[in-house]
Amino acid sequence: QSVLTQPPSASGTPGQRVTISCSGSSSNIGSNNVNWYQQLPGTAPKLLIYSNNQRPPGVPDRFSGSKSGTSASLAISGLQSEDEADYYCGAWDDSLKGYVFGTGSKVTVL
Amino acid sequence: QVTLRESGPALVKPTQTLTLTCSFSGFSLSTGGMCVSWIRQPPGKALEWLARIDWDDDEYYSAYLKTRLTISKDTSKKQVVLTMTNMDPVDTATYYCVRTVGSGWLLDYWGQGTLVTVSS
Repeated sequence: QSVLTQPPSASGTPGQRVTISCSGSSSNIGSNNVNWYQQLPGTAPKLLIYSNNQRPPGVPDRFSGSKSGTSASLAISGLQSEDEADYYCGAWDDSLKGYVFGTGSKVTVL
Repeated sequence: QVTLRESGPALVKPTQTLTLTCSFSGFSLSTGGMCVSWIRQPPGKALEWLARIDWDDDEYYSAYLKTRLTISKDTSKKQVVLTMTNMDPVDTATYYCVRTVGSGWLLDYWGQGTLVTVSS
């Protein structure tokens, strides 16, 4: 049960900027931090962005996150072929008292 | 370095109980802020968080599945066990064990996952 809504897909040519949105509510994104995960084909997800806009060590600065109200966004600038993956947002939900993920967005590099 | 590995049956029959074990290294579940979560992903579908157990024995469960789930830990063995009762074909998924850090819910280290198929 995905509580957070993402566009199913996004695409761009190498070097372009791509953004993915994550829409939630006051009980999740509106009151808690958002994390983003990247899942390359056939592999386990990987933490990409935490606390809305922080990058773990080793994550290129081409990836950036932001949050406003009950929505969050992930931006990939200077798109590269190795960025082809599924991307998921996630946040704690105060009403459900559980962690919720987004519906997932598949990024394609044309 | 931090590693996690899931183990358990690849195939279970409907109505059976699934027991999955997460064996981890590189951190301790007795350290403040350390937690382990279970997350699953049906083939071709989105991630779904199932449960979490904390260093201080707090437990959290998905509201949708809480009546079927139990999470437990053996700190000395560095293992976390998830049981899910009354398995159904819709529970067919890859199940991941994930280190989780504190209130920020940083799911920062993931196991490789184990595919569980529910079929008679």
